[in-house]
Amino acid sequence: EIVLTQSPGTLSLSPGERATLSCRASQSVSSSYLAWYQQKPGQAPRLLIYGASSRATGIPDRFSGSGSGTDFTLTISRLEPEDFAVYYCQQYVTSPRTFGQGTKVEIK
Amino acid sequence: QLQLQESGPGLVKPSETLSLTCTVSDGSMRSSSYYWGWIRQPPGKGLECIGIIYYSGSTYYSPSLKSRLTISVDTSKNQFSLRLKSVTATDTAVYFCARGRTTGTLNWDYWGQGTLVTVSS
Repeated sequence: EIVLTQSPGTLSLSPGERATLSCRASQSVSSSYLAWYQQKPGQAPRLLIYGASSRATGIPDRFSGSGSGTDFTLTISRLEPEDFAVYYCQQYVTSPRTFGQGTKVEIK
Repeated sequence: QLQLQESGPGLVKPSETLSLTCTVSDGSMRSSSYYWGWIRQPPGKGLECIGIIYYSGSTYYSPSLKSRLTISVDTSKNQFSLRLKSVTATDTAVYFCARGRTTGTLNWDYWGQGTLVTVSS
């Protein structure tokens, strides 16, 4: 099973600031089968990024993903009020599909 | 706009069986372009993909739940279901059903709103 470790656990930032979230895999995620989801309280997760760097339909371009192998990053270039949420990475190269434990982006 | 809706009891007693159904609002269950799954989230914790069923009927179950879990499909009713036997308090969670794509994103693109299932006597 591929274990995904996200850091930091919590990121305290102000609107307009840049957020950088990390996801590290216990083994290589081939073909960059790594996705990022956003979850707000009381809601289902929403797909932001797939294939490590491709934005899903309707996702603003302030969200970007990068990385390969075992190290991946989600960057939010300028935080908007609606971006404060929990973010999860997920690998889909092997079963079981696994999620990271999440990074909470909170308002400072 | 596609909708998925989970239904089932919100309270299950320990050692009993948890049964949930997901109803899909369109006919996409008849397409090989999609797969269907259940993801759960214990209160205040992260996400766990517990099982997937593919158009072919093949299934994937989380190794930790494999002996207790069954996922099935009824395309005539646009529904898929989850049965988890012998539940304990650790099975308390919000259970989401979701649709995944076999092309393009290869990921979950539509989710249900989630339903909280509490295991308690």
